[in-house]
Amino acid sequence: DTGVSQDPRHKITKRGQNVTFRCDPISEHNRLYWYRQTLGQGPEFLTYFQNEAQLEKSRLLSDRFSAERPKGSFSTLEIQRTEQGDSAMYLCASSLGTLATNEKLFFGSGTQLSVL
Amino acid sequence: TQLLEQSPQFLSIQEGENLTVYCNSSSVFSSLQWYRQEPGEGPVLLVTVVTGGEVKKLKRLTFQFGDARKDSSLHITAAQPGDTGLYLCAGGRGFGNEKLTFGTGTRLTIIP
Repeated sequence: DTGVSQDPRHKITKRGQNVTFRCDPISEHNRLYWYRQTLGQGPEFLTYFQNEAQLEKSRLLSDRFSAERPKGSFSTLEIQRTEQGDSAMYLCASSLGTLATNEKLFFGSGTQLSVL
Repeated sequence: TQLLEQSPQFLSIQEGENLTVYCNSSSVFSSLQWYRQEPGEGPVLLVTVVTGGEVKKLKRLTFQFGDARKDSSLHITAAQPGDTGLYLCAGGRGFGNEKLTFGTGTRLTIIP
């Protein structure tokens, strides 16, 4: 068990460019979540997957954002035509079961995105 | 919009002192979690409370869930420099809702 892994740890891009982040959850965790955290704030929910199915998306996830989990294992989060307001820490988390039964949520170290 | 307000936002105290951090909401949550986050890292779960009035202890940390399940507190006894970090509360809504609502955070600094 190596924990939730996110790549890259840091990304600097110019406004208008596309970026893609990867998340590898803890093996056998069927639920995978994406959160965004801006400086001085708590994380905000973006979307979550149960296996390969994307079951909920926040209104924060504009049409420039897309997330996939094609084989129910790793996930990617793509941001098209980045804007300076997209600068944030993008956190991935996974859990073995539903949070409704108080399953523990494990977070990765995040990808820090800076849009210049 | 953050539905969970934490206070204080910043707290800096001397090693050995006691402190309490509060997490308040006008909404009812089915569960309340507390996390600690170090700079450049993701949050790490400390505890989950699910019953109104529940108290849980983790060494020098005491967590309480309000009777009405709208608020929670974290009390640290004899704070140590290793307690330094960002403390986040997060509320869960129960079955059918996998989204956690995080609080605004309390940045705690323990001065040796």
